[in-house]
Amino acid sequence: SSELTQDPAVSVALGQTVRITCQGDSLRSYYASWYQQKPGQAPIVVIYGKNNRPSGIPDRFSGSSSGNTASLTISGAQAEDEADYYCNSRDSSGNHLVFGGGTKLTVL
Amino acid sequence: EVQLVESGGGLLQPGGSLRLSCAVSGFTFNSYEMSWVRQAPGKGLEWVSYISSGGNTMYYADSVEGRFTISRDNAKNSLYLQMNSLRAEDTAVYYCARGIQLWTTFGGYFDYWGQGTLVTVSS
Repeated sequence: SSELTQDPAVSVALGQTVRITCQGDSLRSYYASWYQQKPGQAPIVVIYGKNNRPSGIPDRFSGSSSGNTASLTISGAQAEDEADYYCNSRDSSGNHLVFGGGTKLTVL
Repeated sequence: EVQLVESGGGLLQPGGSLRLSCAVSGFTFNSYEMSWVRQAPGKGLEWVSYISSGGNTMYYADSVEGRFTISRDNAKNSLYLQMNSLRAEDTAVYYCARGIQLWTTFGGYFDYWGQGTLVTVSS
């Protein structure tokens, strides 16, 4: 079982805003990073740190954190955003990294 | 252009051993920490192991501790994962990934990933 908990599936209407959450005790101490993975492809990072986007990631992707919960928000979701999203951080011991179970995002 | 190319996957029986390699190019390998991450068929991502840029510090997931060994050859721009006593539950696509400040509170992350190599453990 993962120390980071994500909802298995979330859906959003085209052009609407969706928030994907990640919960875990370690998130009180460490920021999460977020990865997008499309079928048959390797993951790519979309958000890291407090709220940083790598070059090439659209500004509709943003991150936030409060208490034990990290959130990835997509403002104005597009069809190409349909994918699996994973959060990642250190675990409570600090000596391991851990991924959340993943959230499958469907854009309707 | 940054490239990470895994190799060495295959089909083997439980209890067997395998060595994965990750050849990198396009960046100064000895300046970056690296990890292996795996993904079982139809499942989520699982962090497997980490090695520091100089190769002096390694960490492992509990699920592979004592069976897998991560190493690197900075002269050859290569990362390795020696996998022993393989089990059916080790069946997965194994990705190598470049890490950025993974052990800071800043919020480390993996900025480049390879395309993965499939390891299948089955009798």
